[in-house]
Amino acid sequence: GENVEQHPSTLSVQEGDSAVIKCTYSDSASNYFPWYKQELGKRPQLIIDIRSNVGEKKDQRIAVTLNKTAKHFSLHITETQPEDSAVYFCAASTKAGTALIFGKGTTLSVSS
Amino acid sequence: DTEVTQTPKHLVMGMTNKKSLKCEQHMGHRAMYWYKQKAKKPPELMFVYSYEKLSINESVPSRFSPECPNSSLLNLHLHALQPEDSALYLCASSPPTGTRMGGYTFGSGTRLTVV
Repeated sequence: GENVEQHPSTLSVQEGDSAVIKCTYSDSASNYFPWYKQELGKRPQLIIDIRSNVGEKKDQRIAVTLNKTAKHFSLHITETQPEDSAVYFCAASTKAGTALIFGKGTTLSVSS
Repeated sequence: DTEVTQTPKHLVMGMTNKKSLKCEQHMGHRAMYWYKQKAKKPPELMFVYSYEKLSINESVPSRFSPECPNSSLLNLHLHALQPEDSALYLCASSPPTGTRMGGYTFGSGTRLTVV
């Protein structure tokens, strides 16, 4: 079935450093790739997304890149801050565009 | 209104109880979803409703029964649950399926504990 792999599972960086999280997907029909940030006890919050007709998208300190041929996409956070600490989930649309399948998540810790 | 509202926020129920989770959105989204999330795990898809019709059931046990009374409401009826069903239940909505997907919005969730 459809699958989304996410790496690494944990990531620790110093404040000001960059963080990169990578995901691969299996469904070649996937065309929408959102990233969610989830703080402890809260709902997943959409932070950035990208569609299959775009290779890169940037929003301030956050960027996402997509390689459709290789079926992988990545989240880049620059100038990390302690408030960036959270669990980050990638996801890919699947099942003919009717649902999102999530990666297993990356716990990002930013120390000051 | 850009919110998905879920009630209750917390629920404790016994294994013989019957309870319902409710979800409401007024964004005109015609796709609504139930996800289950265990601690430190990703959300797992349970059900998808498209235009008020059940389109996907991810082999969920029959003790979970979804219902979509209208385009704004989604319920999840619970009966004879097991302790391992304790989790955060998330509702989400998105623009109509089959179109450009996006705007996938999650509610705050219901934290369910089965005792």
